[in-house]
Amino acid sequence: QLQLQESGPGLVKPSETLSLTCTVSGGSISSTSYYWGWIRQPPGKGLEWIGIIYYDGSTYYNPSLNSRVTISVDTSKNHFSLKLSSVTAADTAMYYCARHLSAASGILIDYWGQGTLVTVSS
Amino acid sequence: QSVLTQPPSVSAAPGQKVTISCSGSSSRIENYYVSWYQQLPGTAPKLLIYDNNKRPSGIPDRFSGSKSGTSATLGITGLQTGDEADYYCGTWDSSMSAGPNWVFGGGTKLTVL
Repeated sequence: QLQLQESGPGLVKPSETLSLTCTVSGGSISSTSYYWGWIRQPPGKGLEWIGIIYYDGSTYYNPSLNSRVTISVDTSKNHFSLKLSSVTAADTAMYYCARHLSAASGILIDYWGQGTLVTVSS
Repeated sequence: QSVLTQPPSVSAAPGQKVTISCSGSSSRIENYYVSWYQQLPGTAPKLLIYDNNKRPSGIPDRFSGSKSGTSATLGITGLQTGDEADYYCGTWDSSMSAGPNWVFGGGTKLTVL
């Protein structure tokens, strides 16, 4: 049974860097069939895709966040991480890690973690 | 503002059928596969439909998907109170000049009256 577990600080100060880790269990992050990524949801609002990473380190990011986002992978620990710099209150959201299946039809999000709430406040 | 447009809300009575639309620019939906996600209150989204009309294992056949031109549609028959949730469409858009990325619709809140 695949499990994705987000971890990291629940409170970040404005202008600082938000850092989260997603630990994958029940599956290998080195699988060639999947990308691994992050999606967020501000309170009461819709979903916003942040970006994904492949086991070899190649990435795709949301153009609107590209200048502030870094996603990295550690295959030895079977986890991947998100860093979002220069945060503001607008970055307050539930952050989900998610598995993305790479198929002939394209990429689709097929499995989600439970999410972790990050609040940006001084 | 989402690049995929969904109605903010829909409602129907138990046992009835409801449809939720997802429309976008010609390059986004017409050429790519659409997925649908169900987000029950207080929980993470779950994959409901992929490749326009396929259901993952465990998703009942009351849920269906279709696509025509630049619009995709999620259909739910035999509505149950447990279907009350937010529903999101999404697609992988590899046509964007800024680089390929995933895009979501704005979400539709389903109320079962």
